[in-house]
Amino acid sequence: ILNVEQSPQSLHVQEGDSTNFTCSFPSSNFYALHWYRWETAKSPEALFVMTLNGDEKKKGRISATLNTKEGYSYLYIKGSQPEDSATYLCAFSNYGGSQGNLIFGKGTKLSVKP
Amino acid sequence: DSGVTQTPKHLITATGQRVTLRCSPRSGDLSVYWYQQSLDQGLQFLIQYYNGEERAKGNILERFSAQQFPDLHSELNLSSLELGDSALYFCASSVASRGANTEAFFGQGTRLTVV
Repeated sequence: ILNVEQSPQSLHVQEGDSTNFTCSFPSSNFYALHWYRWETAKSPEALFVMTLNGDEKKKGRISATLNTKEGYSYLYIKGSQPEDSATYLCAFSNYGGSQGNLIFGKGTKLSVKP
Repeated sequence: DSGVTQTPKHLITATGQRVTLRCSPRSGDLSVYWYQQSLDQGLQFLIQYYNGEERAKGNILERFSAQQFPDLHSELNLSSLELGDSALYFCASSVASRGANTEAFFGQGTRLTVV
């Protein structure tokens, strides 16, 4: 059974703090790693999709890195704002029998206090 | 608006009943994914269809089935419902064919409550 682990489960920071979360996934048969942002009462929205070892992607104050050999990805938020409060999900896709599906972690719930 | 439409938004039904959840993917997307999110659980992958064919299967119960129609909309059928089936069911779509290397777009979900 493929497992995706995210840490921490939850995080409380002050406005202006920078923060980062971790996503760990199986390193074998890697295909893609996704990050999604999920606000309460809304649907998850894609932030990044990364496929190559060493990939770094950035969108505004949010960036992500990928290490497929050791099976982890980091998501960084610089200068957190209250509107960044959400659950951040990572999802892993691999080759093989389950090709095509996305296995999600349980997410990191971020709360940013003004 | 992601472009993915799920109906109904809310559904309350009794144990033992059968329900059908519907998903219309984003225009141009051929892949549809179904996920279940129960209390304190992450998004659990149920099943994926690509252009009408089943592409990947997760931990989907035998009481559950799905299909994707020629117009690419998909339906998830849940039968012999149990209290534990109460959850938020998400549909997502993407252009991806083999492998999920493009972003998925999620619908708003269907909140199923079994009483």
